[in-house]
Amino acid sequence: NAGVTQTPKFQVLKTGQSMTLQCAQDMNHNSMYWYRQDPGMGLRLIYYSASEGTTDKGEVPNGYNVSRLNKREFSLRLESAAPSQTSVYFCASKRQGAQEQFFGPGTRLTVL
Amino acid sequence: DAKTTQPNSMESNEEEPVHLPCNHSTISGTDYIHWYRQLPSQGPEYVIHGLTSNVNNRMASLAIAEDRKSSTLILHRATLRDAAVYYCILPKGGSNYKLTFGKGTLLTVNP
Repeated sequence: NAGVTQTPKFQVLKTGQSMTLQCAQDMNHNSMYWYRQDPGMGLRLIYYSASEGTTDKGEVPNGYNVSRLNKREFSLRLESAAPSQTSVYFCASKRQGAQEQFFGPGTRLTVL
Repeated sequence: DAKTTQPNSMESNEEEPVHLPCNHSTISGTDYIHWYRQLPSQGPEYVIHGLTSNVNNRMASLAIAEDRKSSTLILHRATLRDAAVYYCILPKGGSNYKLTFGKGTLLTVNP
């Protein structure tokens, strides 16, 4: 099993550009999450999806949209990137009824 | 929401035990206590969780105070690979819980 995979690993954008971060899991998990981590800080929840077809806002959803494409994939879209969105983005997934979340390796995004 | 308090940093020597403390004085009766760690340049990794009783797994032990207002993550023999930021978290949201990460404790392991 690959676990949770994220693409791309690195990305540089100019202010105002758009992009989509991709996340996929092969563990048949129901719940998926998107977090961001700013330098020297803990992770903050952007959006989550408790099951296929549902999405909910987390702590810092402004400037982002998500799509739960199917059970495996959960994408995060930045419509008009801003320098404040420079961060490392982590995707995670969790099996229904379980306690632990599994995290991907992250996408390092820089917005100039 | 219940808050957790951890020391900013701790230091240990290789092959010695490490006790990482966490205070959560406003914990509610149904709050689980989770520990995650984050190695440099990697995503967080689940370590252990518990509710009331002490817990052991292959990575660590979790000791929970009788009043549940504090807990301690125990690494029995620290290795260089255990150098990481350790987060003590009280998830919220029932079965679809959400994790709130503070700044955690940066553990340095000396050879």
